[in-house]
Amino acid sequence: GAVVSQHPSRVICKSGTSVKIECRSLDFQATTMFWYRQFPKQSLMLMATSNEGSKATYEQGVEKDKFLINHASLTLSTLTVTSAHPEDSSFYICSAMGPQYSPLHFGNGTRLTVT
Amino acid sequence: KQEVTQIPAALSVPEGENLVLNCSFTDSAIYNLQWFRQDPGKGLTSLLLIQSSQREQTSGRLNASLDKSSGRSTLYIAASQPGDSATYLCAVRGGDSGGYQKVTFGIGTKLQVIP
Repeated sequence: GAVVSQHPSRVICKSGTSVKIECRSLDFQATTMFWYRQFPKQSLMLMATSNEGSKATYEQGVEKDKFLINHASLTLSTLTVTSAHPEDSSFYICSAMGPQYSPLHFGNGTRLTVT
Repeated sequence: KQEVTQIPAALSVPEGENLVLNCSFTDSAIYNLQWFRQDPGKGLTSLLLIQSSQREQTSGRLNASLDKSSGRSTLYIAASQPGDSATYLCAVRGGDSGGYQKVTFGIGTKLQVIP
């Protein structure tokens, strides 16, 4: 079946550095990709929706300059957490879907720890 | 605005029991509904996808039903096993005048199957 690969699964970085997370759809063309953030024991929080070749649509309260999203191709989207701070530590998950009746597929998530 | 509610929030059952998880949504103009499971610290795994024109889908011990007109879906798990312990999420695609890209999640039902 369709698979979404998210990399890295874990990353530890120092405060002030930037971290890039990749999300790839391996065997289907993802017209839309989503980025979520999840705090412990809480539900998914949608951060942004990205369509291939266009700018991402960010949810209210999510800083565009802080969380840079690029969706340059139908199989790859990246999330860059810029100038990371300890409060950015969280679990980040991407998902991807094809046309309107297709299922949504998730990556395995990235555990970001900012020291 | 599309709202998705899952009941119960948590459920604990002895191994072997059959159980039902409920999901309701407010806007019936949906494309499809998808059930996921999430294990702690992991991404989401797709269990079943029901298109808006379908009434149910089955996979192994899982059966999901959809009553679009009443805005309800149920996930039936037969002969539960400890390995079924996870958080189960319902996701509705469409409705809310957001087009097919809009996916709304419930907060999930945390299931514990006791050996």
